[in-house]
Amino acid sequence: EAGVAQSPRYKIIEKRQSVAFWCNPISGHATLYWYQQILGQGPKLLIQFQNNGVVDDSQLPKDRFSAERLKGVDSTLKIQPAKLEDSAVYLCASSLDGTGEMTQYFGPGTRLLVL
Amino acid sequence: QQQVKQSPQSLIVQKGGISIINCAYENTAFDYFPWYQQFPGKGPALLIAIRPDVSEKKEGRFTISFNKSAKQFSLHIMDSQPGDSATYFCAASRGSGNTGKLIFGQGTTLQVKP
Repeated sequence: EAGVAQSPRYKIIEKRQSVAFWCNPISGHATLYWYQQILGQGPKLLIQFQNNGVVDDSQLPKDRFSAERLKGVDSTLKIQPAKLEDSAVYLCASSLDGTGEMTQYFGPGTRLLVL
Repeated sequence: QQQVKQSPQSLIVQKGGISIINCAYENTAFDYFPWYQQFPGKGPALLIAIRPDVSEKKEGRFTISFNKSAKQFSLHIMDSQPGDSATYFCAASRGSGNTGKLIFGQGTTLQVKP
């Protein structure tokens, strides 16, 4: 079974530029998560989708971050404009559903460096 | 109340020794406590998880001990091996009927010396 796919794996941008990350979850997984992992810290949830609807985006900086999950499969996370403090690894995860089956499967992440 | 506090930040253990990582939480509504293992350049992977209706769960060399009254849980790695060298994260969430949002600890970097 293929795991969670993410691209690109690395991205370097200047501050105030925009960037987008892509995630393809495990086939059949209804729930998709985007986490931000700053160096030396645990992952922090940015947004959670159940199919193509948003379940939780309470920690998403909505003035600069946006995410969508069209057709309830792939998802993109966008940052516009980027700030220095956005430098982090952006992890995508998926689970069969958001309640009964709790195991979240993580992708390898996209490492973002904002200069 | 949403925090999960993890200690130690780093740990060095000799091969064959026991590695112990501790976590504490405040929110009594949490009812699912997983441990994730993360190697450099990889995403976290579920190692073992426990629900508060049991005090201990063992899978191979990995054991979770859970103390509901103290609101603490710990990971024990028996017979630690160099291949166990990684970063370990505890987490907590409110389970069924809720969003399943995981709150992660700060992480523990484990180094197992040969």
